[in-house]
Amino acid sequence: GQSLEQPSEVTAVEGAIVQINCTYQTSGFYGLSWYQQHDGGAPTFLSYNALDGLEETGRFSSFLSRSDSYGYLLLQELQMKDSASYFCAVRDRKGDDKIIFGKGTRLHILP
Amino acid sequence: NAGVTQTPKFQVLKTGQSMTLQCAQDMNHNSMYWYRQDPGMGLRLIYYSASEGTTDKGEVPNGYNVSRLNKREFSLRLESAAPSQTSVYFCASTSGQGPDTQYFGPGTRLTVL
Repeated sequence: GQSLEQPSEVTAVEGAIVQINCTYQTSGFYGLSWYQQHDGGAPTFLSYNALDGLEETGRFSSFLSRSDSYGYLLLQELQMKDSASYFCAVRDRKGDDKIIFGKGTRLHILP
Repeated sequence: NAGVTQTPKFQVLKTGQSMTLQCAQDMNHNSMYWYRQDPGMGLRLIYYSASEGTTDKGEVPNGYNVSRLNKREFSLRLESAAPSQTSVYFCASTSGQGPDTQYFGPGTRLTVL
């Protein structure tokens, strides 16, 4: 089966950098995605990695190591509006459209 | 483009009642999904559909049925609602090709008394 592990909560200071980790177990692997969700809202797509390495999108970056079944989301220059929950998600096998989410990491930002 | 739309936004049911949650997307996406979200549990996949006419079970399918009516619409039915089905339900879609970018609807907040 599939499973994803990520910390339940992370706290950081405004203007700082924070890293949210995700480890996964799947029978196959196609790609790792990251989503942001504010309270009362719907998840929105942030980033996607299919190959090893770092993908950068503005203040957000995502890293993948397929050999370690591990990835992380890096948020730089934290702003108060980044206070939200962050989810990693994985598609189990190429060609299978089943996409599973981790339980999410709640990011608290202190002024 | 409206993206992914869901109806209703809120619903209160009594135990044993039935209802259908509606979802539609206007992005010509192949794949559609139903998730439920409970506090501390993240998003759990109920059912998904890779294309019109096909549906598959996800992690928590018991108590639910789905219909992929056409490429645009994917409905979720609760035949006999139970308090354990109190949750927020999200519909999502993705093109099924290239990067896994899922687009989510605004959600349906369901309470079963």
